[in-house]
Amino acid sequence: KAGVTQTPRYLIKTRGQQVTLSCSPISGHRSVSWYQQTPGQGLQFLFEYFSETQRNKGNFPGRFSGRQFSNSRSEMNVSTLELGDSALYLCASSLAPTALSGANVLTFGAGSRLTVL
Amino acid sequence: DAKTTQPPSMDCAEGRAANLPCNHSTISGNEYVYWYRQIHSQGPQYIIHGLKNNETNEMASLIITEDRKSSTLILPHATLRDTAVYYCIAYGGTSYGKLTFGQGTILTVHP
Repeated sequence: KAGVTQTPRYLIKTRGQQVTLSCSPISGHRSVSWYQQTPGQGLQFLFEYFSETQRNKGNFPGRFSGRQFSNSRSEMNVSTLELGDSALYLCASSLAPTALSGANVLTFGAGSRLTVL
Repeated sequence: DAKTTQPPSMDCAEGRAANLPCNHSTISGNEYVYWYRQIHSQGPQYIIHGLKNNETNEMASLIITEDRKSSTLILPHATLRDTAVYYCIAYGGTSYGKLTFGQGTILTVHP
């Protein structure tokens, strides 16, 4: 079956612009989580969505937002880009809402690499 | 999530077993131990998870101590393609999907 698909894979933006990243989960997966990975901070949790509702949010400023659609596809948006937003953004999907299942395997996509100039 | 501690790097010869340790002394009763790995510039890949019993799948074995304060991931016959960063994560219960990745262990498999 198809894996988690993230688009675009690579993009370059300038400071002050905004960006939207897309994630299509594995068919049947209803939970989508987003992570940011940078060399300095490692992998950090951004937020998680289930049934179009944000269930949890990491410690990121309000410039980072997301949403989930009725078909479980998700998008995240970063407004007013800063140089420090350059990172690999990873999306992961899972079957169950992670709070209700002690055992819940996340499947990650290949990521969207954002460069802010 | 309980905090996990892993050695920053390890080496292993190709064909030999790679044993990657993880300390999770503050793990709670409803938290599972998960292992993921990340090969350069790719998304993390799930390897295995367990609660308190030892587990084995086609990729690896997971040995969890009886007190659950530590675990070991075993790659029985390491290959060059197993070179990656390996993350041990304690997760479950009320974590609400917030996986906390540490710095992981950089495993280098050499010929």
